Amino acid sequence: GENVEQHPSTLSVQEGDSAVIKCTYSDSASNYFPWYKQELGKRPQLIIDIRSNVGEKKDQRIAVTLNKTAKHFSLHITETQPEDSAVYFCAASGASGTYKYIFGTGTRLKVLA
Amino acid sequence: GAGVSQSPSNKVTEKGKDVELRCDPISGHTALYWYRQSLGQGLEFLIYFQGNSAPDKSGLPSDRFSAERTGGSVSTLTIQRTQQEDSAVYLCASSQQVSNQPQHFGDGTRLSIL
Repeated sequence: GENVEQHPSTLSVQEGDSAVIKCTYSDSASNYFPWYKQELGKRPQLIIDIRSNVGEKKDQRIAVTLNKTAKHFSLHITETQPEDSAVYFCAASGASGTYKYIFGTGTRLKVLA
Repeated sequence: GAGVSQSPSNKVTEKGKDVELRCDPISGHTALYWYRQSLGQGLEFLIYFQGNSAPDKSGLPSDRFSAERTGGSVSTLTIQRTQQEDSAVYLCASSQQVSNQPQHFGDGTRLSIL
């Protein structure tokens, strides 16, 4: 079945710097890749998503890139702010006729003021 | 309501008891998903519904776990004969359609088995 690997597990950056989180998926049939932000004790919130017919998508300080050949996708946050501190999860969906999300193991991002 | 609603928000019960967790999806959303999140861990898929049918229940950990959805709306996740390892946050999400649409999560039910 589908497997999603996410790196790094923890990431600390200085305020204003950029942060990059990378995910790799195993099933080439996956065609939808959302990213969620989860603050402590809160629900996961969708921050950006990308479909397999697109290579890059940007929304203000957040961007996602997808490389279908290599089966990996990345989240880029520019000009980080303390409120970006949270756990970020990537997911892949659409593999092998099922529409469940397979989530990565999460990245704890700390933005240092 | 505007978002996905789950109840109860917290549940503490003794080992061996049965529990029922409820999820009210966003109105009009045909797809509904259940996940489990242990402390500090990722989201583990349990089951999803398309309407009242469950095309994929491959994530249910054992036959003590079951779920149903009625009227294409409310869903109930039932855990029978609870064990301590069942302690986790159970999250529900819904999406407009089942095919690769954004999922919107509820706040979850924090289940603690004593």
